Amino acid sequence: GAGVSQSPSNKVTEKGKDVELRCDPISGHTALYWYRQSLGQGLEFLIYFQGNSAPDKSGLPSDRFSAERTGGSVSTLTIQRTQQEDSAVYLCASSLFAGEYNEQFFGPGTRLTVL
Amino acid sequence: KNEVEQSPQNLTAQEGEFITINCSYSVGISALHWLQQHPGGGIVSLFMLSSGKKKHGRLIATINIQEKHSSLHITASHPRDSAVYICAVRAGGTSYGKLTFGQGTILTVHP
Repeated sequence: GAGVSQSPSNKVTEKGKDVELRCDPISGHTALYWYRQSLGQGLEFLIYFQGNSAPDKSGLPSDRFSAERTGGSVSTLTIQRTQQEDSAVYLCASSLFAGEYNEQFFGPGTRLTVL
Repeated sequence: KNEVEQSPQNLTAQEGEFITINCSYSVGISALHWLQQHPGGGIVSLFMLSSGKKKHGRLIATINIQEKHSSLHITASHPRDSAVYICAVRAGGTSYGKLTFGQGTILTVHP
């Protein structure tokens, strides 16, 4: 595709339910990143994948959050037993490589609302 | 104290004015990014730099590694420049993928 795509664009769920957010990176990009932007707060790093290397999970806020990347392409961010504080816009980005000189291209985000 | 601080937090300008947004950081970095986020959420990468200065159209980004400071300048500002501008750094020695973000500067340009 032409850019990074994310689905769904909006997700409303009830507290305690599990949700899955999907990211399709730009074709050929080996690095994929997940970020979170909570209302009134800045962007926050969650996790990134580079090729077949073990992902850097250092930004995941709790063990309710997990992510996987299948076949080096599509990624799914899963939040188990959602809480109201999980409400945020979840952004995915990809870059050709994860090196510091590689521009990141952002998707439109998934707005998650936990009731 | 945040590792990345931006100033001002809010900025209002008249069309045509020269605008400067500042970013200071407290850690050694390997690269600094300037991002633009329009209402509705889409984020676009404006610049990525590790030294010196870059220019793209009416936008100029500079960085001073010794002073741990970067500036984003907009010349001849226009209402379509209204957006949130975000500074992000990649700390030296950390994994390449991890960016630390400033809180953003909300820019409003009036016609």
